[in-house]
Amino acid sequence: GIQVEQSPPDLILQEGANSTLRCNFSDSVNNLQWFHQNPWGQLINLFYIPSGTKQNGRLSATTVATERYSLLYISSSQTTDSGVYFCAVRNTGRRALTFGSGTRLQVQP
Amino acid sequence: DSGVTQTPKHLITATGQRVTLRCSPRSGDLSVYWYQQSLDQGLQFLIQYYNGEERAKGNILERFSAQQFPDLHSELNLSSLELGDSALYFCASSGGQGPAYEQYFGPGTRLTVT
Repeated sequence: GIQVEQSPPDLILQEGANSTLRCNFSDSVNNLQWFHQNPWGQLINLFYIPSGTKQNGRLSATTVATERYSLLYISSSQTTDSGVYFCAVRNTGRRALTFGSGTRLQVQP
Repeated sequence: DSGVTQTPKHLITATGQRVTLRCSPRSGDLSVYWYQQSLDQGLQFLIQYYNGEERAKGNILERFSAQQFPDLHSELNLSSLELGDSALYFCASSGGQGPAYEQYFGPGTRLTVT
């Protein structure tokens, strides 16, 4: 099956700093989603981005499908950005999303 | 708020017992997916239903079963519970069953088996 690798596994930032999270995947995909799991366990949809670039406030994402990676950018980080960020992918050979192991982000005041 | 609802939010039960988790998809969504998040296995796909029919199985144990009802809500039944079944169980829904449909996740049910 498709493999999803996320880096870095852990990240500690000071409030106001910027960061880039990476997601590499092993096969072509029809679906790539970024999620934020908050400290209460909720999975929040951030981006649906199988290709191209999207922006939503302080967050933006880019997927380069031909090179099989996606990047999530967080600018001017806030303590509420803390949690785990997951990348998940799906292609025509799979019935459901395959998740990476996540990047655990801690933003310190 | 994703529009997907799950009940209960928390469930504490003993080994050997049986529980039922409930999920209501977003309005209009026909596909329902169940995922399990445990500390050692990460987020894993369990089973998918589309418009009342089972479409795919992932790493679902034989002790677990699910169904989707005519009103499109779904239930996940977990029986003969073991300590290792303690996990966060998510339901997700999408408008169709193809890979290009975005999936939206509910808030999850946290199951603790003691």
